[in-house]
Formats: sequence, structure tokens, C-alpha cells
Amino acid sequence: ETGVTQTPRHLVMGMTNKKSLKCEQHLGHNAMYWYKQSAKKPLELMFVYSLEERVENNSVPSRFSPECPNSSHLFLHLHTLQPEDSALYLCASSQDGIPYNEQFFGPGTRLTVL
Amino acid sequence: GENVEQHPSTLSVQEGDSAVIKCTYSDSASNYFPWYKQELGKRPQLIIDIRSNVGEKKDQRIAVTLNKTAKHFSLHITETQPEDSAVYFCAASPRDSNYQLIWGAGTKLIIKP
Repeated sequence: ETGVTQTPRHLVMGMTNKKSLKCEQHLGHNAMYWYKQSAKKPLELMFVYSLEERVENNSVPSRFSPECPNSSHLFLHLHTLQPEDSALYLCASSQDGIPYNEQFFGPGTRLTVL
Repeated sequence: GENVEQHPSTLSVQEGDSAVIKCTYSDSASNYFPWYKQELGKRPQLIIDIRSNVGEKKDQRIAVTLNKTAKHFSLHITETQPEDSAVYFCAASPRDSNYQLIWGAGTKLIIKP
């Protein structure tokens, strides 16, 4: 598969569950991003990794824990989430971790927290 | 911190007419301004971008203008077509976020036949 893929596409979890979101990019890029997209709100940048090192962490609650084992894979580990965490979680990648590079997005994971 | 305001939140235009979406930013050191298009149920995709050393950029029916003095930039779509219906997001890269993109809330563009 080409481009940026995300699994699962939909996820329903309780507040006490632990789950993980997975992102994989097949573009040979060096930077990967996690975004949160809520209805009628700006895209919220959560984490940026460049060459597998975390570059940005925009004051995201500790119940979200990212992992980047290599430049092609990115995970978002979730635990004890709140209902307000329900949103579309988008992964993106770019050639490098600088803003001038086009970001290529995955299809997103629609997360519902009950 | 940096804030990007985007207006309008919804824009409805007749097919063939022009559409303009405007964004304002607060950090005068911002130096990169992309526009992304997100069709219903699809992922955002870059459609045009502009750097702070350029005032205007065109690509066929779309153009972006930048006014650094007023700290605003706009997306212009001419001769709108049904496939232009989507949500459009602007973004800016301010210095105090290490130049990582700060996004607007999006504009839903509806093209009426």
C-alpha cells in the first residue's frame, strides 16, 4: 500500500481501556506527526517526530503516549481517556520536520471514548 | 501563543463564481502559509502555499495572496466547480512554535449548481 496508512480506522473504547493507534508511511519521509481533529476546531498538532526523535510535544496530556520505533512507523498509545478525547486522529508525514515540506496525511482513526 | 483565525466558517457560492477565504495570524515572524483541502470523508491535501518573501502565488484557478503588514492571507478560487466543494484549512508557521504549523478552524465551501 502506498502513502500513509492508519489502523484501526474506527475505535470505540471505555475510559479504563488501553489501546494503540498505528501509522505507517511508505514515502521514505523522515518526519511524522499526530494531529487531533475535532468538529469545527483547528487541527491540533500533538506530536512531531523527526528522524525518530520527538521534536514537539504541544502540552498533550500524559494519557496520550507516542512511540516512533523507526522513521516509517508511529504509534499513539492511549490509556484512561476521557469522553472529550473522542475525535478523528490523523497521522501525517513529511520529508523533514520543517514546516515548508508538504505534509501527507493518513485517512485517520475515528476514536470514540465511552 | 500564536492564533490563526479563519473566516468565514461556511461559504456558499454559485457554480462559476469566485470564492475567497481569509486567514489572519498574530506572529509577524511567521514565514510559511499553506492551504489544505479536505473533501468529505477524505484526508487533507496541500493545494497551494506561499512563503513570506512572496506577495502572491497562482496555480490555475487558485491563488493565494499575503499581506504581511496586515498579517493576513487569502485563498482565491475562480470559476468554481462542484469538485471545489470541501473544507479548506489555512495554517501559519510562527516562530514561537518553532515554526511548526498552527491551523485555522476550516471553511466549508459549498458550490451550488
